[in-house]
Amino acid sequence: DTAVSQTPKYLVTQMGNDKSIKCEQNLGHDTMYWYKQDSKKFLKIMFSYNNKELIINETVPNRFSPKSPDKAHLNLHINSLELGDSAVYFCASSQKREKLFFGSGTQLSVL
Amino acid sequence: GESVGLHLPTLSVQEGDNSIINCAYSNSASDYFIWYKQESGKGPQFIIDIRSNMDKRQGQRVTVLLNKTVKHLSLQIAATQPGDSAVYFCAEMGALIFGKGTTLSVSS
Repeated sequence: DTAVSQTPKYLVTQMGNDKSIKCEQNLGHDTMYWYKQDSKKFLKIMFSYNNKELIINETVPNRFSPKSPDKAHLNLHINSLELGDSAVYFCASSQKREKLFFGSGTQLSVL
Repeated sequence: GESVGLHLPTLSVQEGDNSIINCAYSNSASDYFIWYKQESGKGPQFIIDIRSNMDKRQGQRVTVLLNKTVKHLSLQIAATQPGDSAVYFCAEMGALIFGKGTTLSVSS
């Protein structure tokens, strides 16, 4: 049973489209995150939610909007996709600021 | 701002050798660090952690050393195996900052 699962694994889309990535964790953790990994493997935090409340919102274009319907889910919606949004997006969860458990990633390709 | 950096982007070793991956951080108040391993096509996985009240922590075949004086930590992998081939990240857990990653290649 996968601890942190995100869907889809691959997402290929045209510039200007709107897309969503879903994430669910079954670990009972109180905190969830979205990270972006670029082509050089650099991992950068985008957002963090604690018990459905946004606690970290890094400098990310407001085309990116996270939504947490409950503490087990954190979805990422991206409007008006641009070429530079192409990357691998990872969802993660943790109990407070302890070790992060990552999903397997969503590879987003914007054409 | 805060930063976490790895000294070498790539490291190539022979099977059976010991591997050492180094990391430097900038914030002297940082008190919790984690090493993660990322295999191709997967998300990062926890390997070992260390808090600032310790200098050394050992796991199975892995050891993390923390030198607070020079703001440096290292990951040592004993008897490196082909299955250890991956990208390794150090992370500072206060600001949730990841270093840039060292790609470890193990040849048999």
